[in-house]
Amino acid sequence: AQSVAQPEDQVNVAEGNPLTVKCTYSVSGNPYLFWYVQYPNRGLQFLLKYITGDNLVKGSYGFEAEFNKSQTSFHLKKPSALVSDSALYFCAVRLSGNTPLVFGKGTRLSVIA
Amino acid sequence: DARVTQTPRDKVTEMGQEVTMRCQPILGHNTVFWYRQTMMQGLELLAYFRNRAPLDDSGMPKDRFSAEMPDATLATLKIQPSEPRDSAVYFCASGSPEGFQMLGEQFFGPGTRLTVL
Repeated sequence: AQSVAQPEDQVNVAEGNPLTVKCTYSVSGNPYLFWYVQYPNRGLQFLLKYITGDNLVKGSYGFEAEFNKSQTSFHLKKPSALVSDSALYFCAVRLSGNTPLVFGKGTRLSVIA
Repeated sequence: DARVTQTPRDKVTEMGQEVTMRCQPILGHNTVFWYRQTMMQGLELLAYFRNRAPLDDSGMPKDRFSAEMPDATLATLKIQPSEPRDSAVYFCASGSPEGFQMLGEQFFGPGTRLTVL
């Protein structure tokens, strides 16, 4: 079975500071890993993905994520947070193939000016 | 700018009434998903289709929920009869043969906020 854990319900960070949103996964095979973002009253938007290759993946809006196989983690990062980054962030995983994504419960990021 | 559309955006109904939510996937996308989002449970996959055929609806309460794709441009999610515990935001998402099957990318609609009184 596949599962994703986002250990923090809420992350608060000051504008201009680096941010990290944590994600760990559990799959029996090589994972496809994703981050999606949800702004208020909107659907989820794709941010970035890891399929294979370089462990550091760059995505939209200056976000990046690092795949760590030994720690089964895929933390989302950004060097300098913006107030506009405040949103709900979802980590997701699936096995290679056509299986649907399994989403974590989400982490609410608040960037304070 | 291609996007997934959902109607209605908001629905308030009384317990016992039938509710139908509609989704128009992005043209050319052959995989369609229905999700339910609540504060308690997060984002739950209810059902998904490929080429209009249901592949998995194990996440859906079968006694009251039904999902169909009458054609490639329309997906419906029906609840009959509705109950207060069905109150949630329901999202539709679609994926293309290349984007989803190879890369796992899904495009989400804006959601239908359902309130059952």
